[in-house]
Amino acid sequence: DSGVTQTPKHLITATGQRVTLRCSPRSGDLSVYWYQQSLDQGLQFLIQYYNGEERAKGNILERFSAQQFPDLHSELNLSSLELGDSALYFCASSVGFVTPNTGELFFGEGSRLTVL
Amino acid sequence: QKEVEQDPGPLSVPEGAIVSLNCTYSNSAFQYFMWYRQYSRKGPELLMYTYSSGNKEDGRFTAQVDKSSKYISLFIRDSQPSDSATYLCAMKAGANSKLTFGKGITLSVRP
Repeated sequence: DSGVTQTPKHLITATGQRVTLRCSPRSGDLSVYWYQQSLDQGLQFLIQYYNGEERAKGNILERFSAQQFPDLHSELNLSSLELGDSALYFCASSVGFVTPNTGELFFGEGSRLTVL
Repeated sequence: QKEVEQDPGPLSVPEGAIVSLNCTYSNSAFQYFMWYRQYSRKGPELLMYTYSSGNKEDGRFTAQVDKSSKYISLFIRDSQPSDSATYLCAMKAGANSKLTFGKGITLSVRP
């Protein structure tokens, strides 16, 4: 158990809809990262928050947004959903401001989104 | 050309085999190299980390980096059915850079 909690585990929705994915980081971790994993693209970095502030942005679409709350949990909002947004969405956490050079991120079990 | 390329697999081997998993990369700034293991329906977990070139051994696992060839490998000796998982390579340049992952290769070890 990594200590990172993600909800919901599975989500099925229709095109054009909006969903919110939730992540609670490991106790003591201030950074939260969101990743998207699909068969064709692999694991793609979306965005990182550190202690409530956006720290780094990756390949995140404008239809997607995220935030980190004072209690350090984070939410990823996906709107105007398209079939191609179907994927596994992972949250990861770490202690510091930058991605550790050791690569030691702690991943949750993911939220599987299916857009029909 | 993607920054990190990984053999697509899948790979199926008998128990006890030596497994070699490989990644190539194009960004010469990468200096931190990792292997993650991802079991079915789970998130990735860090398996090994190596800085710059050379070998690192941890039990049955050996990570090898050849920066001159821009090539990294993970060797698994005496493979076990419990090693059946998806293995992702990941790389990082400097302190402020993000992790870049390979697509992953799914390994199945047959009893």
